[in-house]
Amino acid sequence: SQQGEEDPQALSIQEGENATMNCSYKTSINNLQWYRQNSGRGLVHLILIRSNEREKHSGRLRVTLDTSKKSSSLLITASRAADTASYFCATAYNTGGFKTIFGAGTRLFVKA
Amino acid sequence: ETGVTQTPRHLVMGMTNKKSLKCEQHLGHNAMYWYKQSAKKPLELMFVYNFKEQTENNSVPSRFSPECPNSSHLFLHLHTLQPEDSALYLCASSQGTGTGELAGELFFGEGSRLTVL
Repeated sequence: SQQGEEDPQALSIQEGENATMNCSYKTSINNLQWYRQNSGRGLVHLILIRSNEREKHSGRLRVTLDTSKKSSSLLITASRAADTASYFCATAYNTGGFKTIFGAGTRLFVKA
Repeated sequence: ETGVTQTPRHLVMGMTNKKSLKCEQHLGHNAMYWYKQSAKKPLELMFVYNFKEQTENNSVPSRFSPECPNSSHLFLHLHTLQPEDSALYLCASSQGTGTGELAGELFFGEGSRLTVL
């Protein structure tokens, strides 16, 4: 399977704390993306990091990529109750055309 | 509003029914996708279309029949489904499916929640 696998499967934290989610994948990738999904809704793109990048920031989000370990992490700083959602990593790899494959996600619950 | 509209949002059908899911994107993208999201399973890529041509069929049963009349519209025709096909069906679009800068962000619709009785 080419899927990214997120860890942990679920995470519960207090508002104001930082949340860290990890993703591991199996083969070489072109890029890795993180998405957010509120319950029963569509996925929203958060951030994309290319295989030649090591770290990327967007607001309260920080993503790292370690291609030698085939892993990525998403850090949400100063979490808010509104950050409660499922977070998915997605890996894009070339099979003669690109496929974007998603992991099972991490369910984050931020308590107010 | 993400620029990708899916209808209907909810659909209940019997196993002998024929129905269709519709997806429309207003973003000028060239590629469109169907994903299936079942409870406690990763999103499953079903079909990929690039410039109206199907470029990926991820071993999807023939009871799911996609149609892409143009780069802005994508349909998923459903017939003789099984209860295990109940899921959230998500449509997405992207600038393309090629290499480099085109292998980027997917824009998703809100999904069609399908229940097969």
